Amino acid sequence: IQLTQSPSFLSASVGDRVTITCRASQGIGSYLAWYQQKPGKAPKLLIYTASTLQSEVPSRFSGSGSGTEFTLTISSLQPEDFATYYCQQFIAYPITFGQGTRLEIK
Amino acid sequence: EVQLEEFGGDLVQRGGSLRLSCAVSGFTFRDYAMSWVRQAPGKGLEWVAGLSASGTSSYYADSVKGRVTITRDNAKNTLYLQLNSLRVEDTAVYFCAKDHPGAMVRGVFDYWGQGTLVTVSS
Repeated sequence: IQLTQSPSFLSASVGDRVTITCRASQGIGSYLAWYQQKPGKAPKLLIYTASTLQSEVPSRFSGSGSGTEFTLTISSLQPEDFATYYCQQFIAYPITFGQGTRLEIK
Repeated sequence: EVQLEEFGGDLVQRGGSLRLSCAVSGFTFRDYAMSWVRQAPGKGLEWVAGLSASGTSSYYADSVKGRVTITRDNAKNTLYLQLNSLRVEDTAVYFCAKDHPGAMVRGVFDYWGQGTLVTVSS
């Protein structure tokens, strides 16, 4: 199952609302997760089952969608949110990730 | 506190072999499926292999199938990845990752190690 994220690169300012899209090559129900990764660090789980916020993740992060189209929204960007974001499907092996969306400060 | 720490990354020649280890603590290892995920320099994440909690069911990415074996020792709280017939394109940081405890979320990773670098030279 292929996952395609858009955009691949995003430039935004602190306080902006941003949305990242992930499209699956076939329906995956709600079996989608989102991760954040900062340079030199391991990925961090943000959201699973498309819209469930992982424990201790700030509420400015939210996820939605089902089937083949999903979104990750950050309601008000904070300085610590500038990172790369990946979607991941877990409905079937092999597990696959999107190519990533790099979010940078404008 | 949940901790995962990878060991075994090294510089190896093409065609060589390497065994990676992931030592865990802070949770009941035998209760959770585990995976290895890699990241080539400057690239995205690629899931490599997964193993059930009991160790009886394993899964592999097509890119490594037949060359890689994932195993675990639940008595030692350690996950392994045996890499054989290494290729230059296997060069990456290899992360071990723990499955989320929630129901119906097998294959979601709530804890990750910091990674170990495997470099394959030509």
